[in-house]
Amino acid sequence: AQSVTQLGSHVSVSEGALVLLRCNYSSSVPPYLFWYVQYPNQGLQLLLKYTSAATLVKGINGFEAEFKKSETSFHLTKPSAHMSDAAEYFCAVSKAAGNKLTFGGGTRVLVKP
Amino acid sequence: NAGVTQTPKFRVLKTGQSMTLLCAQDMNHEYMYWYRQDPGMGLRLIHYSVGEGTTAKGEVPDGYNVSRLKKQNFLLGLESAAPSQTSVYFCASSYLAGNTGELFFGEGSRLTVL
Repeated sequence: AQSVTQLGSHVSVSEGALVLLRCNYSSSVPPYLFWYVQYPNQGLQLLLKYTSAATLVKGINGFEAEFKKSETSFHLTKPSAHMSDAAEYFCAVSKAAGNKLTFGGGTRVLVKP
Repeated sequence: NAGVTQTPKFRVLKTGQSMTLLCAQDMNHEYMYWYRQDPGMGLRLIHYSVGEGTTAKGEVPDGYNVSRLKKQNFLLGLESAAPSQTSVYFCASSYLAGNTGELFFGEGSRLTVL
């Protein structure tokens, strides 16, 4: 069974600092990988997805993620945090042939002025 | 555009009571999903549907039933609520299968079972 591990349930960054959210997956086949963001009292929305094209994926709001097969990782980064980035972020994985996403436990980001 | 709409948004039940959560999407999506969100556990799939009239079990289906009588609606039922079902429930839909298509989520339904 595939699984997703997000290191750190809470991350605190200063405004303007680098945001790095870690995601590792286990999958027996090349996966499809996603990052979703959840703002307070809202549903999840897609930040970016990897579907076996370029290994560096750019998403909305200045976020990007790099797929590293050798490390089974799909870490999310943003060079400069903004106050509006305060939210919970979820990494998710699915098999190429499946139609179900498996989510990680989430990482809540706090941005300090 | 409405997108994915969930009703009700909040509900408090007593143990043993029943209720139904309604999810409606206006994007003509084939696939619909019900997830529950619990702190530190991410989202776990309860049931899903790949088209009108079809349903399938997800990761945590016990204690829940679903129906997809119309393409735009996906109902989640609790026949006899238990405190362990206290959670935030999210409905999602997608045009393509979840592995390649983006999921569109509702705003969630917060259920408390006393």
